[in-house]
Amino acid sequence: NAGVTQTPKFRILKIGQSMTLQCAQDMNHNYMYWYRQDPGMGLKLIYYSVGAGITDKGEVPNGYNVSRSTTEDFPLRLELAAPSQTSVYFCASSYSRTNEKLFFGSGTQLSVL
Amino acid sequence: KNQVEQSPQSLIILEGKNCTLQCNYTVSPFSNLRWYKQDTGRGPVSLTIMTFSENTKSNGRYTATLDADTKQSSLHITASQLSDSASYICVVSPDNYGQNFVFGPGTRLSVLP
Repeated sequence: NAGVTQTPKFRILKIGQSMTLQCAQDMNHNYMYWYRQDPGMGLKLIYYSVGAGITDKGEVPNGYNVSRSTTEDFPLRLELAAPSQTSVYFCASSYSRTNEKLFFGSGTQLSVL
Repeated sequence: KNQVEQSPQSLIILEGKNCTLQCNYTVSPFSNLRWYKQDTGRGPVSLTIMTFSENTKSNGRYTATLDADTKQSSLHITASQLSDSASYICVVSPDNYGQNFVFGPGTRLSVLP
């Protein structure tokens, strides 16, 4: 049972480059989330999805885009990478929203230089 | 503004000792409070979830308490083990919507032999 799988684990980008962070879950969860974790700060929500074809912005969406074409996959796209996007990115999922555990992936450490 | 504060920022204890981590929140309204454990280089893993009506919840050597009147929670770790070395994150939800979770910055616990 893989849970939530994120790839890649590490990536270095140059300013202005683009990339896609992959996230897949095999638990048939409806709800999926993308967070960023900066040193000394709580996780911040970038985007979320409540089901295939439905996505919405979180607290810090600027510079990112998402899509949810299937229940399993929720990729995060960075366009025109900036140093401010240097962070650790976590994908998470849950079956429903009511007092359900969030299951997290192991994260992607991204550096933009 | 909804906020979650945690103290101490970091803590060092000897193996076998007990410790207590604190979480204060200003999130309103209140739906539930969660504690997560995050090992270095990994995603957070759920320890406990408490709703308004629950004062205490245990998960093995981890016991969380909640005082919704004073908006405080604590996580008590009994008979610490080296594997308890991790960051512990307090998360408060104002409603049943996962996109509104408020994450604390975490307490970094180091257990030394």
